[in-house]
Amino acid sequence: QVQLQESGPGLVKPSETLSLTCTVSGGSVSSGSYYWSWIRQPPGKGLEWIGYIYYSGSTNYNPSLKSRVTISVDTSKNQFSLKLSSVTAADTAVYYCARYIVVVPAATSSNWFDPWGQGTLVTVSS
Amino acid sequence: SSELTQDPAVSVALGQTVRITCQGDSLRSYYASWYQQKPGQAPVLVIYGKNNRPSGIPDRFSGSSSGNTASLTITGAQAEDEADYYCNSRDSSGNPLFGGGTKLTVL
Repeated sequence: QVQLQESGPGLVKPSETLSLTCTVSGGSVSSGSYYWSWIRQPPGKGLEWIGYIYYSGSTNYNPSLKSRVTISVDTSKNQFSLKLSSVTAADTAVYYCARYIVVVPAATSSNWFDPWGQGTLVTVSS
Repeated sequence: SSELTQDPAVSVALGQTVRITCQGDSLRSYYASWYQQKPGQAPVLVIYGKNNRPSGIPDRFSGSSSGNTASLTITGAQAEDEADYYCNSRDSSGNPLFGGGTKLTVL
């Protein structure tokens, strides 16, 4: 059973870079069947997709965050990471990592996130 | 890009059936997935694809789609189903997109 666990500082100063790591257990980030994703949720608000990475290093980011986001993968450690630069209070959120699955059959395509990490709260404050 | 629209709040009497909807143009091309989130917990996948439930999800949860609307139906809602529910699909660029969420209250 695949499990994901986020780790990283819970407090980041404005204008600095937020850095988080997701450790995958029970499965491999090198599996060619999946993408590995970051999602965040500001307090009391909804979910926002940040981006995802394939084991090869290919990435896709939310256009609204693209200029500040970098996602990388370390297959030797079975981890993937998030860096978000120039943070402000608006980046305060619970950050989740999740496995992202895309199926493109002949008919209708589908995609889903499963499983998710437990999430980690990152507060941006001086 | 496109949006996925959900009703902010829905209520259902204990044991009754409730439908939670998600509307968006992308749903004409992509199936929605659905997530249940209880306070202080991570979201949990409850429906994916045409109408598939992950292992451990009760069969009272089902999904359907028609035109630009996807629906999550809970048949015989239980007290433990009280939670926020989010739909997920893709935007016009093919990027993942979440609906705003629906808060389900079981009366």
